[in-house]
Amino acid sequence: GNSVTQMEGPVTLSEEAFLTINCTYTATGYPSLFWYVQYPGEGLQLLLKATKADDKGSNKGFEATYRKETTSFHLEKGSVQVSDSAVYFCALTNNAGGTSYGKLTFGQGTILTVHP
Amino acid sequence: ETGVTQSPTHLIKTRGQQVTLRCSSQSGHNTVSWYQQALGQGPQFIFQYYREEENGRGNFPPRFSGLQFPNYSSELNVNALELDDSALYLCASSYRQGRELFFGSGTQLSVL
Repeated sequence: GNSVTQMEGPVTLSEEAFLTINCTYTATGYPSLFWYVQYPGEGLQLLLKATKADDKGSNKGFEATYRKETTSFHLEKGSVQVSDSAVYFCALTNNAGGTSYGKLTFGQGTILTVHP
Repeated sequence: ETGVTQSPTHLIKTRGQQVTLRCSSQSGHNTVSWYQQALGQGPQFIFQYYREEENGRGNFPPRFSGLQFPNYSSELNVNALELDDSALYLCASSYRQGRELFFGSGTQLSVL
């Protein structure tokens, strides 16, 4: 079955530091990959996505590249801000159709705290 | 455009009771999914509804059931509540299957 593994957290950084959150996956076929962000007391928001190998998703200074050879989708940002403090989830969905179509499989989440 | 709304925001129940959680889809969305997020964990897929029929289910027992109405709003029902059912329940809608999911803020259920 499908699974997503994220790096163990939490991650604590100073403002303007470089961020990497690792994500690897196991899936059949050719999944789409996502990063979601969850701010305290809120639901999940889609941060970025990539639908095929070598695609790069980007949004709000965050980037992630779909690497099929290493089954990875690591999240990066060159300079984090205090407002980036949140929980980040890597996820995938199977595009093969059937009853699992559109179902998201999530990693366990990584808590990011950015200090001024 | 109104986003996905869930009610109530918080709920406290005792073991053995039944609970109903509600979700209003984003306008124009015909697919609704429900997820359970235990503390410190990623969301787990419960089931998905498309045009009022269940269309995909995760590894949850039958005491978790749902409905989708003609206006595409949805309910999640949980019978015979157990302590481990304490979690944040998230509803997500999309304008069709396989498209981007838009999540509500969730219902925090505590079972005592």
